[in-house]
Amino acid sequence: AQSVTQPDIHITVSEGASLELRCNYSYGATPYLFWYVQSPGQGLQLLLKYFSGDTLVQGIKGFEAEFKRSQSSFNLRKPSVHWSDAAEYFCAVGGRGGADGLTFGKGTHLIIQP
Amino acid sequence: SQTIHQWPATLVQPVGSPLSLECTVEGTSNPNLYWYRQAAGRGLQLLFYSVGIGQISSEVPQNLSASRPQDRQFILSSKKLLLSDSGFYLCASCMLDTEAFFGQGTRLTVV
Repeated sequence: AQSVTQPDIHITVSEGASLELRCNYSYGATPYLFWYVQSPGQGLQLLLKYFSGDTLVQGIKGFEAEFKRSQSSFNLRKPSVHWSDAAEYFCAVGGRGGADGLTFGKGTHLIIQP
Repeated sequence: SQTIHQWPATLVQPVGSPLSLECTVEGTSNPNLYWYRQAAGRGLQLLFYSVGIGQISSEVPQNLSASRPQDRQFILSSKKLLLSDSGFYLCASCMLDTEAFFGQGTRLTVV
């Protein structure tokens, strides 16, 4: 069965500092991988996705992620965080539809220090 | 792109009362539809998915049920709510080989 692990429940970063959120997955085939962001009380917004091709993918709001098959990882990065980046971040695998819906990690809560 | 409408946004219901949460989709046809529940510290749990009208699959046995009476309508129901049903419920729509689009969610508090 597919699964996603986000090992960091909370991360605190100073504004302007770089960010890396970790994500490891388990999937039986070539995965579709996603990062979503959730502001308090809101739905989920897609930051970026990997389906195939270039393993470094660019997303919205200055985020990027790198797919590393050998490490089963899809870590999210941003070179300089802004206070507005404070939110919950979810990594997900799957998305081929039907029973193969998205499987999410438990999320990483990002706190930005001034 | 798709737009997912969920309502109500917030709901407070007594234990033992019924529940009906509705989700409708715009901008696509024949989507795969999903209900997720998000509890504090537990991420998103897939409750039900549907690949077509009248086709419902349950991922977790529980006090809830789902129905899909129309192609772009997905309903989450309960006959008698439990305290443990409290949470944030999200509806999602996904076509094959695309990302999922989410509604804004319903915050359900059972008292």
